[in-house]
Amino acid sequence: DIQMTQSPSSVSASVGDRVTITCRASQGISSWLAWYQQKPGKVPKILIYDASSLQSGVPSRFSGSRSGTDFTLTISSLQPEDFASYYCQQANSFPLTFGGGTKVEIK
Amino acid sequence: QLQLQESGPGLVKPSETLSLTCTVSGGSISGGFYYWGWIRQPPGKGLEWIGSIYYSGSTYYNPSLNSRVTISVDTSKNQFSLKLSSVTAADTAVYYCARQIAAPGFSGWFDPWGQGTLVTVSS
Repeated sequence: DIQMTQSPSSVSASVGDRVTITCRASQGISSWLAWYQQKPGKVPKILIYDASSLQSGVPSRFSGSRSGTDFTLTISSLQPEDFASYYCQQANSFPLTFGGGTKVEIK
Repeated sequence: QLQLQESGPGLVKPSETLSLTCTVSGGSISGGFYYWGWIRQPPGKGLEWIGSIYYSGSTYYNPSLNSRVTISVDTSKNQFSLKLSSVTAADTAVYYCARQIAAPGFSGWFDPWGQGTLVTVSS
């Protein structure tokens, strides 16, 4: 099984800050990775697929990148509505696996 | 616009079988490079993939749940279902169904998701 190690588990940031979240895959997954945002009590929503493709309707302050088996989600300028939990998911092969999640909190 | 809706009991007794159905509307469950998946989230914890099914009936399951999970599809009703046997308190979670967008060469990501349903395992 492919393990997804996500870090940090939580981050405190202020509005306007640049926030970076990382996922490391235990083996190669090409670019088959997605990022989701989940607000408290809400359904997860896909932000990024194929490591760096922005889902329709998602603000351009969100971006994704890949370096080998390391994947990064960047929020360029944190907005109040971005305080949420974020999860990566490898889409390369079954069994599908998620990272442990990152909670972005208000500083 | 494709929508998914989970339905089923919100309370299941320990050792019994959890049964949920996902009804798909606004599109067909058949055809295309789509799987249909179940994901769960225990209260306050992260996401766990349970399993997925193709409209033809081909299934993939999480190895950690494999012996207890059965996913089936009813294309005539545009529904797919989850059965999880021998449940314990550890199976208490919000259960989501979702469309899994796949293609030859990769297994896929989830979009959209159903609203989720909380299933509590308790006597």
